[in-house]
Parts: sequence; C-alpha cells; structure tokens
Amino acid sequence: EVQLVQSGAVVKNPGESLKISCKAAGYSFTSYWIGWVRQMPGKGLEWMGIIHPGDSDTRYSPSFQGQVTISVDKSISTAYLQWSRLKASDTAMYYCARLGIQGGSYFIDYWGQGTVVTVSS
Amino acid sequence: EIVLTQSPGTLSLSPGERATLSCRASQSVSSSYLAWYQQKPGQAPSLLIYATSNRATGIPDRFSGSGSGTDFTLTISRLEPEDFAVYYCQQYGSSLLFTFGPGTKVDIK
Repeated sequence: EVQLVQSGAVVKNPGESLKISCKAAGYSFTSYWIGWVRQMPGKGLEWMGIIHPGDSDTRYSPSFQGQVTISVDKSISTAYLQWSRLKASDTAMYYCARLGIQGGSYFIDYWGQGTVVTVSS
Repeated sequence: EIVLTQSPGTLSLSPGERATLSCRASQSVSSSYLAWYQQKPGQAPSLLIYATSNRATGIPDRFSGSGSGTDFTLTISRLEPEDFAVYYCQQYGSSLLFTFGPGTKVDIK
C-alpha cells in the first residue's frame, strides 16, 4: 500500500527556520516525482514545486522559487520542504503528493495527510 | 502560465440531484493533462478523474469528466451524501508545473 506520512504540526516564530518531512512507503521511492502543495486557511490548493528522488531534479513554481527548498534523502525514502526564514504568511497546511504518470497523463495519485505550519509571534 | 477558472464558486444541491461543475482554462489544455480532485473537510484532496475523463481507481461511475480545449466539466450524476465537498480541477503545464483552479464547493441545499 502506497503511503506518504508527513511530520506533525509545528508552531514557529517569524524569522525561524523549518524543515518538514514526507516519508514514503509501499513503492519504489526513486521512481516517482514528489511534489508539495500549499493550502492557506480557508483557501484553495497551490502547487509549490516537485522533485525527482532518483536524481534530485527539482522544479519550483515561480511563486515559490527562492522562498522554499525542496530536497530528498533517498536512503530513508523521505522528501523535505524547508524555509530559512518563516513569515506569518507561511501559515498553512502543506501536503506532499506523489506524481502519477499513465499513458502520457500526469496527476497526483497519492497525498500525504498534511502538515499544519503556524507562524506566529 | 495557464490560469484555471471554476464555476460556480458554490453549488447548493440536494442528494439525488445532478451536479455540473465547470473548469475553464485561459489557454488550450491537452486533454491528457486535466485532472479533478475532491477534498472533504479536514482531509487531504483525493484524485477523482485524470486525463479529462478517466476515473481513478475506486471512483464510482456517477462521477464523469468531459471537455476539451479550454472548457472541461465534472458531472456527478446523482449526488450521494458523501459527495458534498470541494472539487478542484488541475492542469499540467511544462516543466512539471501544475496549476489548480480555485475550487467549487458542493454543499447541501
């Protein structure tokens, strides 16, 4: 069974750094792209970026380029999303998601349960 | 960058009724690259439809997708109580850049 298990909710102060994780199980981690999606409180879904665990090829949405860093540790089948200096506007739910590919189609076939990040002084 | 617009913002219907949700793209989208997701309160989204009209594994046949070019539709033929949720369309662009629509909330009338 494919599972993406994310780290728990966190509360941080503005200006602090943070790294959240997404541990994959039940499939070949290095064979599928993993993406991150933001959902601000009461709002819709925003695509942040994606990484291929096999070679760490990473692509960022223009809105998030330079704001976050996506990485992986394939030895432990885990993807990460990190911030060097958090802002209050980073308060949101963050989902990791596996990219499915079938017949030339691309879609998210599995989602993590989400990590709530709260940034407040 | 392709922008997706969904309408209506909210759809108020009763169980058993038919729901028709629209997703419009600012430029033509390949039918292979259009997907729909369902999100229930407090849950992660889940895949409903990929490549415009293909149901994901385990999705009941009351859900169907159609469309081409810039206009796509998700239809729920007869609403069940568990179908009241928010629905997002998504398109895949170049360089693995994805875009979501703003969502349509289907709530109980």
